[in-house]
Amino acid sequence: EIVLTQSPGTLSLSPGERATLYCKASHSIMRTWFAWYQQKPGQAPRLLMYDISNRAGGIPDRFSASGSGTDFSLTINRLEPEDFAVYFCQQYGTSIAFGGGTRVEI
Amino acid sequence: EVQLVESGGGLVQPGGSLRLSCAASGFDFTNSWMSWVRQAPGKGLEWVANINEDTSGRYYVDSVKGRFTISRDNAKNSLFLQMSSLRVEDTAVYYCARFGLVGGQGTLVTVSS
Repeated sequence: EIVLTQSPGTLSLSPGERATLYCKASHSIMRTWFAWYQQKPGQAPRLLMYDISNRAGGIPDRFSASGSGTDFSLTINRLEPEDFAVYFCQQYGTSIAFGGGTRVEI
Repeated sequence: EVQLVESGGGLVQPGGSLRLSCAASGFDFTNSWMSWVRQAPGKGLEWVANINEDTSGRYYVDSVKGRFTISRDNAKNSLFLQMSSLRVEDTAVYYCARFGLVGGQGTLVTVSS
């Protein structure tokens, strides 16, 4: 069973700054089945990235992601006010696991 | 466009039962692994159950084994979660997921006396 550990737990930044979030897996993920979600209070998770680095439909290009094996990251360039939220990483597919989340706050 | 619409949530007493449904469209449902994922109030996301394309494989998180049953109707592009012996700790928003990717708005299950 894979365990995903996100860091930091909270990231305090200002609009216009860059945010880098990390996710470390306890062992190598299956294929490239790795995703990131954004979640705002009272809303369902919104898929941002899939297959490690592909943006989901409608996601602006200030969001990017990379990684392989056990180490992954999500970068948000030039934070907009609507980007302040909680972000989750995920291994998906036939074996599913989620990270505990990183809160990006103003 | 992938659409996943969950329904069937509600308030139920401890020990009770509930059946969740997910209507899927916009993708090849028949050839897709499907899953249920839940999120307890103020908590993170938790995988609950998986089912493969032909229902020959069903997998559950330990905490729901023997109490929850995942099923599907490929003719109707629908996914189900039969929940019984519900506990307070099963209170959560339940999401349907295609190949593990969460895409719906979820349905709230509240277990309380």
